[in-house]
Amino acid sequence: QVQLKESGPGLVQPSETLSLTCTVSGFSLTSYGVNWVRQPPGKGLEWMGTIWNDGSTDYNSALKSRLSISRDTSKSQVFLKMNSLQTEDTAIYLCAGSYSGPYYFDYWGQGVMVTVSS
Amino acid sequence: DIQMTQSPASLSASLEEIVTITCQASQDIGNWLAWYQQKPGKSPQLLIYDATSLADGVPSRFSGSRSGTQYSLKISRLQVEDIGSYYCQQAHSNTFGAGTKLELK
Repeated sequence: QVQLKESGPGLVQPSETLSLTCTVSGFSLTSYGVNWVRQPPGKGLEWMGTIWNDGSTDYNSALKSRLSISRDTSKSQVFLKMNSLQTEDTAIYLCAGSYSGPYYFDYWGQGVMVTVSS
Repeated sequence: DIQMTQSPASLSASLEEIVTITCQASQDIGNWLAWYQQKPGKSPQLLIYDATSLADGVPSRFSGSRSGTQYSLKISRLQVEDIGSYYCQQAHSNTFGAGTKLELK
């Protein structure tokens, strides 16, 4: 059974760095990609970036300068770091696994709500 | 950037009714198109990928189609568990439509 679970702080100060972890089970990071997607409260979905099975990454061009995605295959964990956070970065952050094809999100975590506020 | 124009933004339909949601791509994306359902307070669920392929475990009343750069999601007989929001996603360079909120009439 495939499971993904996000973890990280619920509150981040403006201008600080967000660090999130996605822990995966039943799903090999060396076989499939993992993506980060976010959703501001009451709004739509925004793809943030992908780490592929070979460890390479792709980023949303709008976030690329602030975003880094990495992984630890031994722990089945994928990491998101985004710096210079602003209030508009307040959102639910979700990790999602790709299985049916690149950039298709078959498996989703429950998400973690991150609020950017002083 | 490829834009996805999704319509309608909201939709009210009766049980057993046929429901259609469309997305118009701003340029050719081939069959690189997916549809997701999101119920309130839950994570999205993949319904359709490659424009017409049904994801595992998705009821057969859901179907996807393509005509040029216009893509459609059809629910053949609306059920109460289908209520929620629906998003298209172009997987060519990865953007989502703005979403359609489906409610029961």
